Amino acid sequence: GAGVSQSPSNKVTEKGKDVELRCDPISGHTALYWYRQSLGQGLEFLIYFQGNSAPDKSGLPSDRFSAERTGGSVSTLTIQRTQQEDSAVYLCASSLASRGQGNTIYFGEGSWLTVV
Amino acid sequence: DAKTTQPTSMDCAEGRAANLPCNHSTISGNEYVYWYRQIHSQGPQYIIHGLKNNETNEMASLIITEDRKSSTLILPHATLRDTAVYYCIVRVVNDYKLSFGAGTTVTVRA
Repeated sequence: GAGVSQSPSNKVTEKGKDVELRCDPISGHTALYWYRQSLGQGLEFLIYFQGNSAPDKSGLPSDRFSAERTGGSVSTLTIQRTQQEDSAVYLCASSLASRGQGNTIYFGEGSWLTVV
Repeated sequence: DAKTTQPTSMDCAEGRAANLPCNHSTISGNEYVYWYRQIHSQGPQYIIHGLKNNETNEMASLIITEDRKSSTLILPHATLRDTAVYYCIVRVVNDYKLSFGAGTTVTVRA
């Protein structure tokens, strides 16, 4: 598709369950990002992938969170043993890694996670 | 450590131009000005960006003052679908840890 695609768009899960969120970046974009936005809060950086380089995981809030990117394209964010405070919208984004273009970051529509 | 200051909210009449100000008095020479918007329950949508020259695309125009300490996003003919929170951010090219402030809540009224 033309934009960043995320699935599922909505997920309700029970506390303690694991969830997987998927992201398809814009075709040709080598950089992929995950952010989180809690209700009424700002954007929170989680993780960044760039090509074959080691990802920047500095924003992951705990070791229950992990992400991988297979084949330099699709990414999966996994949250283990979910807690209620994990409830948020998880946003995936991608960009060309081109300095000359200002490296504009484009977002998907997000995956809304509710932990009950 | 907000790098930008925006009004909390503003109203605009449908069909009129909406002028959204943003102050970024501490902007560095290598920082771009970016604008995004977020319509309720949707992901942030890129609008436009610029370094020092004015920019225009199909969505909006961006006017950056000569000293680069402030800018204005112009939506030339606002529609009801432009109702959203608009975020002005400054970032260097390789900065991917985006941080949105509170933004400006723009309400377009019929």
